[in-house]
Amino acid sequence: YGLTQPPSVSVSPGQTASILCSGDNLGDKYVCWYQQKPGQSPLLVISQDTKRPSGIPERFSGSNSGNTATLSISGTQAMDEAEYYCQAWDNSTIVFGTGTKVTVL
Amino acid sequence: QLQLQESGPGLVKASETLSLTCTVSGGSISSGTYYWGWIRQPPGKGLEWIGTIYYSGTTYYNPSLKSRVTISVDTSKNEFSLRLSSVTAADTALYYCATSRGIPGSSLGEDAFHIWGQGTMVPVSS
Repeated sequence: YGLTQPPSVSVSPGQTASILCSGDNLGDKYVCWYQQKPGQSPLLVISQDTKRPSGIPERFSGSNSGNTATLSISGTQAMDEAEYYCQAWDNSTIVFGTGTKVTVL
Repeated sequence: QLQLQESGPGLVKASETLSLTCTVSGGSISSGTYYWGWIRQPPGKGLEWIGTIYYSGTTYYNPSLKSRVTISVDTSKNEFSLRLSSVTAADTALYYCATSRGIPGSSLGEDAFHIWGQGTMVPVSS
């Protein structure tokens, strides 16, 4: 089982970035999302499909339905430039997505 | 606040056993509030879950690594450890310890890792 993400997404400052995570019947599972900047540990930005941990800006939101989970960043800022990973549970293991590099142009 | 810090040898030889420890501060492993996990990231690549342990010693392992992995906990020292046997160059990675509020595969989706250590790089030499 694998979680597929596009390798890269480009977004203009102030616009919305949408990062997809695809997997079989993913909507039947809980998905969380991490942000990882170069040289830093991953940071949880969305848990349980849609929940923002304390301290995460409101511009981060999540959804999950069918075979695709989506992390959206509205009003994207330069500081949001990072690698993003989804995570879910399947076949008795925690699985991470392949990762998406978000570039703010 | 809860903090995690990995420690261990900076280099491991192929075929030997990699051993790392994660020291927890700002909270007690024996409180039973959290689960404690190991995740790794090869250079320039994505994340891979290795396994998770509860304060009671109950473990959950990635099936692809299960035959080589042992995770243990020492509540008296407030730390948990990873041992990975028979390492090869493919095990070269940045190893993170992290914590979650629920078991892997939690029906409530509480297996997200909300606090991470800074990570420790472990090269495997041939």
